[in-house]
Formats: sequence, C-alpha cells, structure tokens
Amino acid sequence: DIVLTQSPVLAVSLGQRATISCRASQSVSISSINLMHWYQQKPGQQPKLLIYRASNLASGIPARFSGSGSGTDFTLTIDPVQADDIAAYYCQQSRESPPTFGGGTKLELK
Amino acid sequence: QVQLKESGPGLVQPSQTLSLTCTVSGFSLTSYNVHWVRQPPGKGLEWMGRMRYNGDTSYNSALKSRLSISRDTSKNQVFLKMNSLQTDDTGTYYCTRDGSPYVMDAWGQGASVTVSS
Repeated sequence: DIVLTQSPVLAVSLGQRATISCRASQSVSISSINLMHWYQQKPGQQPKLLIYRASNLASGIPARFSGSGSGTDFTLTIDPVQADDIAAYYCQQSRESPPTFGGGTKLELK
Repeated sequence: QVQLKESGPGLVQPSQTLSLTCTVSGFSLTSYNVHWVRQPPGKGLEWMGRMRYNGDTSYNSALKSRLSISRDTSKNQVFLKMNSLQTDDTGTYYCTRDGSPYVMDAWGQGASVTVSS
C-alpha cells in the first residue's frame, strides 16, 4: 500500500499563510495527472473534499485554498488563514488500490 | 442535492456482526460508486471497501475476510456487514460518493459504533 506522511500539527496565526505537506512512499502521478486529493475535517463533522487531483478546487471551496505538487510531494496552502479553517486536513491518494489517507495535520492557532 | 446518511446500531458486542445502511439521495447508485471509510476515535481515516456503479465490489485486504458490501438499488441503499468485531473496530463509519475514481466528493454524517460488552 502507498503510505502518505503528514506532520501531525501545524501552528499558524490568523491572516498568515499555512502550508501543509504530504509525502507519498511512491509516485502517485500518472503522466501529468497527479492523483492526490485533500480533505478538511472540523471537530465532530465528516470530512469534506477541498482539492482533487492535486490542484483543482472542489465546488464551493474558497479561493484561499490551493494545492500543488507532483510525484511524491504535495502541498495544501491556505492563504490567508481564517478562524473557520481550524481543522484537521488529510491527503489521500487514488493512484493505487487501496486508496490510502495520510495521518492528518491538525491546524492550530499560534 | 447529493446526500448520504448512515444508520445502524451504536453498540455492538465483541465477536458479533456490524450491519450498517447507507441511504443516498440526489444521485443514482447505478451511476456512481459508493465507498465505506472508517475513523477510530481521535485517529485517521481508513478505506474499507467500495460498491461500484455496476454492482462489483472491492475491499481493503486487511478487512476482506470479515467484510461484505451489498446494495439495493430500488431503495437507494448500500449495506455494510462486518463480522467478528473487536474493540479496535470502534469508531465512526462513513459512506461516501465517488465523484471520480476514488475521489470522495460527498460524505455522510457518519455512524458512531462502539464495540463493547
């Protein structure tokens, strides 16, 4: 299985930029298609799709969220961070079955 | 409006079988895949398995021997059954819609399951 590694916690100040990283144990890209996706999960809620295929914003997601990366290294950026963005963020790959998730990064206020 | 809703018992005894139902609306089970994903308390997400739009299923190999996913398209329902439950099966169980291969674009609210005697 493809293992996705995320830092457990990121502390950020409101109004600043947050950069959340996800590293895969092997490439999750096929040609120019990057099969990495990002989800946000607020406490007590279900996850919500933010970014699909590395850089595509899901429907209804604010433009302060963006994604980048290819191969094994991917980044979710939130700029500027708002209070409503305090949550856990998970990456997920769909390059191979089973789809796997990173352990999650909890975004906290500094 | 796309919606998914999980239902089932909140408490299951060790060694017993978990049965959950995912009722969907706003889309057809014959056009979209549906996944089951679970989350232990305070931990991350684990993919369990998938019901494809054509009725085929696939499972996480770690759970395959205990897990079964089925559906009733006339009732817009997908079912999960997992046997031989243990305490580490405690958690929240989500059904999700697959908007693109293995991209989960809609999630149910989750069903909380506790395995305890």
